[in-house]
Amino acid sequence: SQQGEEDPQALSIQEGENATMNCSYKTSINNLQWYRQNSGRGLVHLILIRSNEREKHSGRLRVTLDTSKKSSSLLITASRAADTASYFCASYSGAGSYQLTFGKGTKLSVIP
Amino acid sequence: KAGVTQTPRYLIKTRGQQVTLSCSPISGHRSVSWYQQTPGQGLQFLFEYFSETQRNKGNFPGRFSGRQFSNSRSEMNVSTLELGDSALYLCASSADSNIQYFGAGTRLSVL
Repeated sequence: SQQGEEDPQALSIQEGENATMNCSYKTSINNLQWYRQNSGRGLVHLILIRSNEREKHSGRLRVTLDTSKKSSSLLITASRAADTASYFCASYSGAGSYQLTFGKGTKLSVIP
Repeated sequence: KAGVTQTPRYLIKTRGQQVTLSCSPISGHRSVSWYQQTPGQGLQFLFEYFSETQRNKGNFPGRFSGRQFSNSRSEMNVSTLELGDSALYLCASSADSNIQYFGAGTRLSVL
């Protein structure tokens, strides 16, 4: 079963625009992570936000977390064609779990 | 530091056969997880190993099994292959059971 659900499923923007992806999750979490996957290859970790944090930045990435709504958002600013990829949120399924559960992902296309 | 290495990268099998996939984690990482990715079901957790012990198992039939060796290298095995087992199988290693580092995956096609 999916712990996180991303929204939208697909997003197409022009280079230089900002891209926002949302994620909702079901169970309580210690942290939430975002990963990127380029066209059927392995995933790359982007950023981790802990449950006691509300916002975190890393370069052109900004992640927010609202534990009361069980939701998170990933903002990519000034997007580039190289940002074209699928983006997934992921979290561990409950206390003491070593099972990292992923959402279905948002497929981002950045048009040059 | 070398990344996570998965072999082979591509595999074609027929129904009923069995297959073994291999994963070498990043040096020093003791946790190895396996995932199956399909267009329909997305990324699904198979199992996680730490120091040769399986700590978590996903909701997959017993045909899917794995193991981890003392050097942290891991293998997963799928017996009696079905068409629906066609997928990208991803291995990930972790030092702290938080951030996971993924290999490039093994693409399995079952004919």
